[in-house]
Amino acid sequence: DAGVTQSPTHLIKTRGQQVTLRCSPKSGHDTVSWYQQALGQGPQFIFQYYEEEERQRGNFPDRFSGHQFPNYSSELNVNALLLGDSALYLCASSSFLQAARFGPGTRLTVT
Amino acid sequence: AQRVTQPEKLLSVFKGAPVELKCNYSYSGSPELFWYVQYSRQRLQLLLRHISRESIKGFTADLNKGETSFHLKKPFAQEEDSAMYYCALGEYGNKLVFGAGTILRVKS
Repeated sequence: DAGVTQSPTHLIKTRGQQVTLRCSPKSGHDTVSWYQQALGQGPQFIFQYYEEEERQRGNFPDRFSGHQFPNYSSELNVNALLLGDSALYLCASSSFLQAARFGPGTRLTVT
Repeated sequence: AQRVTQPEKLLSVFKGAPVELKCNYSYSGSPELFWYVQYSRQRLQLLLRHISRESIKGFTADLNKGETSFHLKKPFAQEEDSAMYYCALGEYGNKLVFGAGTILRVKS
């Protein structure tokens, strides 16, 4: 089991563009959460998906949206990119009573 | 509001010395506390979960509800312990609230 996988590894976008990040959960996990980690800070919760629905949401604007597919994989979409969106985006998967396991992250740079 | 505080940005110790990484939290219910570790160029990994009461790589952490703390301890630091350590508070449905992290540097 490769654990949680994310793609792409790195991404460079221009202000105003849109981006899609992808995540495949660890085998046996059905819940996917997304986190944003700015330089020098701890991860900040964006939202969580379970049974293809957004179950919880952190303090992020509507420009951040997501999706979960029937195979439990997930996408994070960010519209109208701002310079401040530059960060490491982490995907974590979990299931009932199972602690969250993290992917390697996608480094997004907005220029 | 739920909050996790790690007061030290950097903790530097000599090899063989005891280590204590501090974590304090604020939470209105029954918390679930975790320690995650990130070694250089590696992903964030689960180190400890308070409900399992395990000792991983010689590290232990005790939940003190009176002091709202979950400090991470190891009696004898090793060079391979050098990493970034995050304390995290688990809320309903596995949402995690993280502290800012503490860099542990073990000097030889």
